[in-house]
Amino acid sequence: QVQLVQSGSELKKPGASVKVSCKASGYTFTSYAMNWVRQAPGQGLEWMGWINTNTGNPTYAQGFTGRFVFSLDTSVSTAYLQISSLKAEDTAVYYCATFDPVVPDYWGQGTLVTVSS
Amino acid sequence: QLVLTQSPSASASLGASVKLTCTLSSGHSSYAIAWHQQQPEKGPRYLMKLNSDGSHSKGDGIPDRFSGSSSGAERYLTISSLQSEDEADYYCQTWGTGVVFGGGTKLTVL
Repeated sequence: QVQLVQSGSELKKPGASVKVSCKASGYTFTSYAMNWVRQAPGQGLEWMGWINTNTGNPTYAQGFTGRFVFSLDTSVSTAYLQISSLKAEDTAVYYCATFDPVVPDYWGQGTLVTVSS
Repeated sequence: QLVLTQSPSASASLGASVKLTCTLSSGHSSYAIAWHQQQPEKGPRYLMKLNSDGSHSKGDGIPDRFSGSSSGAERYLTISSLQSEDEADYYCQTWGTGVVFGGGTKLTVL
């Protein structure tokens, strides 16, 4: 069955960087784009953007340019989200997910990133 | 601009039915959407895709109690025979130039 398994929780200091991984299994990794979604504490779901798993071309939503980088390692069916120059307001749960208009969607379990001094 | 509008909250009694609404912005009434459920302290779970004609396709393991329907720019999620575990946040989502989420509806089961 399809699974998206994300890396574990992270506690980082302001100004540091973090890299979250999302390993896909149960389907051909390059069949679907990989999306990233942020959920700040007590808030709703916010789409951060997506990466084309065939070309590696990322698209960033407004508000997620500059410090946010999506990347892939197709050899291990894994997508990555890197956030640099972390701020307290980056504290959130980050999800990877496939949002294809035709086939069912799949979500990772989420990765909590806490930014605190 | 493509926007999805959801009521912030809804409530219904155990065993009853509830109909949640997601409204597409003007000019986007033909768009399909997806419904996702997020139970407390858990990640989101895909429920179904819902087309403008009301046809829908549910995810694996989604009970028959969950169904979708459409009317104009409105997309509905109906949950019948409400159970305590249905208490959750429900988000609608669609595709434009990117992915768009509604603000979510917090469902309380009384």
